[in-house]
Amino acid sequence: NAGVTQTPKFRVLKTGQSMTLLCAQDMNHEYMYWYRQDPGMGLRLIHYSVGEGTTAKGEVPDGYNVSRLKKQNFLLGLESAAPSQTSVYFCASSYNGGQAKNIQYFGAGTRLSVL
Amino acid sequence: AQSVTQPDIHITVSEGASLELRCNYSYGATPYLFWYVQSPGQGLQLLLKYFSGDTLVQGIKGFEAEFKRSQSSFNLRKPSVHWSDAAEYFCAVGAFSGSARQLTFGSGTQLTVLP
Repeated sequence: NAGVTQTPKFRVLKTGQSMTLLCAQDMNHEYMYWYRQDPGMGLRLIHYSVGEGTTAKGEVPDGYNVSRLKKQNFLLGLESAAPSQTSVYFCASSYNGGQAKNIQYFGAGTRLSVL
Repeated sequence: AQSVTQPDIHITVSEGASLELRCNYSYGATPYLFWYVQSPGQGLQLLLKYFSGDTLVQGIKGFEAEFKRSQSSFNLRKPSVHWSDAAEYFCAVGAFSGSARQLTFGSGTQLTVLP
């Protein structure tokens, strides 16, 4: 009963390096989301996807790219990491039917430090 | 745009005491409201939600919340706190228009439980 799985759990990057965070869900959810969590600021939406092959920008999309090539996976990429991207990243997913579409299920997070 | 305010950054209560965490929201239409809990190093777990109907909603772990439209509030309550309730609590409002599914989170309230 995995739910939403994020890999890796921790990562340290140097400024300018690139990396991809992987989110996988096994609930057959249509919608997927990437958030970042910073102290005192709650969670802020980076990008989201309403289905395979579609993505859209959230509140803080700059410096990130995403891809949804398979329904179960949602990738978050940092092409050139900056210290301002040091954060905890959370992936979430939700169903697309009825009121259940309004409930998001979260992964355990990826803690990223950019030096 | 919607917003959420959690006025209390940190609350400390004794085990067995009652608890109320405050949440105020700003949203032009009828809101979808949520409370999530985050234990250290973990992802977010949904405690309860309000979509419509009865303004007093029951959640998991003995929590409840009351939606008050006139006060734009959705406060979380528990009659008797347990040591395991120590965590960070996030209130969120959902904006669901067309294909957009966005949650806006408050900055969180850290709960400490004294023995």
